[in-house]
Amino acid sequence: QKEVEQNSGPLSVPEGAIASLNCTYSDRGSQSFFWYRQYSGKSPELIMSIYSNGDKEDGRFTAQLNKASQYVSLLIRDSQPSDSATYLCAVRETGTASKLTFGTGTRLQVTL
Amino acid sequence: NAGVTQTPKFQVLKTGQSMTLQCAQDMNHNSMYWYRQDPGMGLRLIYYSASEGTTDKGEVPNGYNVSRLNKREFSLRLESAAPSQTSVYFCASSEVSGLDNEKLFFGSGTQLSVL
Repeated sequence: QKEVEQNSGPLSVPEGAIASLNCTYSDRGSQSFFWYRQYSGKSPELIMSIYSNGDKEDGRFTAQLNKASQYVSLLIRDSQPSDSATYLCAVRETGTASKLTFGTGTRLQVTL
Repeated sequence: NAGVTQTPKFQVLKTGQSMTLQCAQDMNHNSMYWYRQDPGMGLRLIYYSASEGTTDKGEVPNGYNVSRLNKREFSLRLESAAPSQTSVYFCASSEVSGLDNEKLFFGSGTQLSVL
């Protein structure tokens, strides 16, 4: 059973701080990694994707990938109350072109 | 600008009843998916259709059937509902499956309760 692990949280950070969300995965051959944001009662939406080792930045969001450690993270700089949501890590495993495996999500709370 | 439309939004069934969840997308996407989301379990893939005319099982297909009616529509059927199928169901679509830049577009979800 291929696994994607996330700490369920809640992760509480003050407004303006950096939020760090982490995800580990079991399939060493995984090639594609995604972060989805899900507000309470809403559907998930893609915020970041990353495929190569290193960092990828998009505005206040930075995705970090370390394939050797089987670890992917999402950093949110200058956290805002509107960032309060559940963040889902998703991994496309080797040989499963149409299947994403999602983690259980980390709930982020940004406090005033 | 509808995107992915799911119906119904809420449904209550008795054990043993059947129902079909409907999903339609207007983005001309090839791939469509059905997921269920349970507390503490994340999103789990039930069935997917990589293109019109094809369907494949996902992680949790037991108790479900699907039909890819045409390129736009992908329905999920529960033949004999069980309490274990109480969940939030999401339909999703993407342009092409398996690409590195693949982005899933999700419907608004169906909250299903089986009593």
